[in-house]
Amino acid sequence: ETGVTQTPRHLVMGMTNKKSLKCEQHLGHNAMYWYKQSAKKPLELMFVYSLEERVENNSVPSRFSPECPNSSHLFLHLHTLQPEDSALYLCASSQDSPDLNTEAFFGQGTRLTVV
Amino acid sequence: AQSVTQLGSHVSVSEGALVLLRCNYSSSVPPYLFWYVQYPNQGLQLLLKYTSAATLVKGINGFEAEFKKSETSFHLTKPSAHMSDAAEYFCAVSDLDQTGANNLFFGTGTRLTVIP
Repeated sequence: ETGVTQTPRHLVMGMTNKKSLKCEQHLGHNAMYWYKQSAKKPLELMFVYSLEERVENNSVPSRFSPECPNSSHLFLHLHTLQPEDSALYLCASSQDSPDLNTEAFFGQGTRLTVV
Repeated sequence: AQSVTQLGSHVSVSEGALVLLRCNYSSSVPPYLFWYVQYPNQGLQLLLKYTSAATLVKGINGFEAEFKKSETSFHLTKPSAHMSDAAEYFCAVSDLDQTGANNLFFGTGTRLTVIP
């Protein structure tokens, strides 16, 4: 248990569906992240929220829409996805620090399959 | 921008043998470096981190890494591999992105296989 919980663990959805991934952190951190992990590709940083404000979106397609209602919760809303969006989606949190020496704590991920 | 390079996407060792996973970084300033491990169908778990306090860093599960500025390396080692060490290992560097936010930038990962 890392203090970061993601639900659901597995999700299968059709290309016309709308679904949401949820992430909750119990560590009192002030920054949260969404990463995409595809087979044979490096971890891709999708979104960063620091102090509940989005600070980075890395040119992610608009079919992915993040939401951070408070410092403990992060959502990723999905709609009209493509099969190539199938991947492991990882949420992480950290205590943002100008010292750059704080590590990120990861959830177990949501394995998404788009059919 | 800082980055890390992991040499070898796959490494196989026999049980009981030395584990060596390579990571090189590029940085114009003293970096903060991390090693994470990912077991199948799990998220990433921190093994250890370098924050300039000591060049030899000890982590969990018997792993350690040595920061060598002259070689711009932060290789991960373990004297004796165990079957439970089979996993994917990621090297990462902390840096500010173009918006000034503190981000972790990951290498491409090395999959470690332990042979009985």
